[in-house]
Amino acid sequence: NAGVTQTPKFQVLKTGQSMTLQCAQDMNHNSMYWYRQDPGMGLRLIHYSVGEGTTAKGEVPDGYNVSRLNKREFSLRLESAAPSQTSVYFCASSESTDGYTFGSGTRLTVV
Amino acid sequence: GQSLEQPSEVTAVEGAIVQINCTYQTSGFYGLSWYQQHDGGAPTFLSYNALDGLEETGRFSSFLSRSDSYGYLLLQELQMKDSASYFCAVRREDTGRRALTFGSGTRLQVQP
Repeated sequence: NAGVTQTPKFQVLKTGQSMTLQCAQDMNHNSMYWYRQDPGMGLRLIHYSVGEGTTAKGEVPDGYNVSRLNKREFSLRLESAAPSQTSVYFCASSESTDGYTFGSGTRLTVV
Repeated sequence: GQSLEQPSEVTAVEGAIVQINCTYQTSGFYGLSWYQQHDGGAPTFLSYNALDGLEETGRFSSFLSRSDSYGYLLLQELQMKDSASYFCAVRREDTGRRALTFGSGTRLQVQP
């Protein structure tokens, strides 16, 4: 099925641990995004990429790094997790002014 | 900067019509989008308005007034499955209009 695939779906980390959230899309979209969603705060943009080899900071980039490995894949890395990074993380992709297609999300808890 | 305002919660009964409003402030406007998100699920794209007026897609319609910096999502013949959160969004000027800024969402509860 065409779409955006995120792994893992759930993760619990201890403070200071690192991890990488994976995202892949098979719709040949140029643009990909990482958002976090916290209760009552909507979705906030972390980083985004408008093409292979390019990335840019969004609204809340601190504590996160991204890699656009190829056109399909866009990963998000937490180098040293903090409790404030407990959230639901969504990856999305789009083509120009079309609507976003979102992945199913990763529910991350940092203890 | 950019900001979007929408009501936090709306309640309606099955079969009724409900309107979810969104007002926005942004430099450089490039259209208003709407997304639906069920509890525990991912947001899904509903509609996009670049020009003033009403766009209809089945039971859902979306309206935009650029002069008033205002839009709304209209849901007709409400069904229980329409219980979800609804987000309005605008394109961010600081990302070359690629990325979206989302409102905080309106939680719609449809009652029998």
